[in-house]
Amino acid sequence: NAGVTQTPKFRILKIGQSMTLQCTQDMNHNYMYWYRQDPGMGLKLIYYSVGAGITDKGEVPNGYNVSRSTTEDFPLRLELAAPSQTSVYFCASSWEGASGNTIYFGEGSWLTVV
Amino acid sequence: EDQVTQSPEALRLQEGESSSLNCSYTVSGLRGLFWYRQDPGKGPEFLFTLYSAGEEKEKERLKATLTKKESFLHITAPKPEDSATYLCAVNGAAGNKLTFGGGTRVLVKP
Repeated sequence: NAGVTQTPKFRILKIGQSMTLQCTQDMNHNYMYWYRQDPGMGLKLIYYSVGAGITDKGEVPNGYNVSRSTTEDFPLRLELAAPSQTSVYFCASSWEGASGNTIYFGEGSWLTVV
Repeated sequence: EDQVTQSPEALRLQEGESSSLNCSYTVSGLRGLFWYRQDPGKGPEFLFTLYSAGEEKEKERLKATLTKKESFLHITAPKPEDSATYLCAVNGAAGNKLTFGGGTRVLVKP
């Protein structure tokens, strides 16, 4: 049971560099999400997708981009990394959105921008 | 805008010492209140969903309850393996996404 798989697990970036966090799910879920979690804080929604080809902004989208070309994959792109993007990133997926359905989370990707 | 506040921020318990965690929320049209458990270095793990005031759900030593303004997660006779951060989240009328509280870090000492 793979569930939601994120790569890489850990990454150190220099200021101004770009990178992509990969996320794939094998549950055929239509909804996918990217959250970030700062130390001692709850999760904040960056972007979400309700299906292939459809994405929308969450609470904290600035500095990020996403795409959803397939049901399985939902990569998160960081352009021009800044220290404020140092965080733990969680990808998640669910059926039909959060209402009444369980959201399954990946193990997280720890990103440090120096 | 949906808001969720959890208290206390941290809780230290002796094994067997029951306690409750609070989740206060403001939401326009609650479509679900969720409780998750998060272990260090891991993603959140789903525990419960509550939909309407008066609803209760139980799982082992955990029991979640819901009123119109808050939810409680009761931990009965906790064991060290119940040590984790417990997260509360709501899904409001906007739908499609969860708004999380800051979590309560629970440490159960043997």
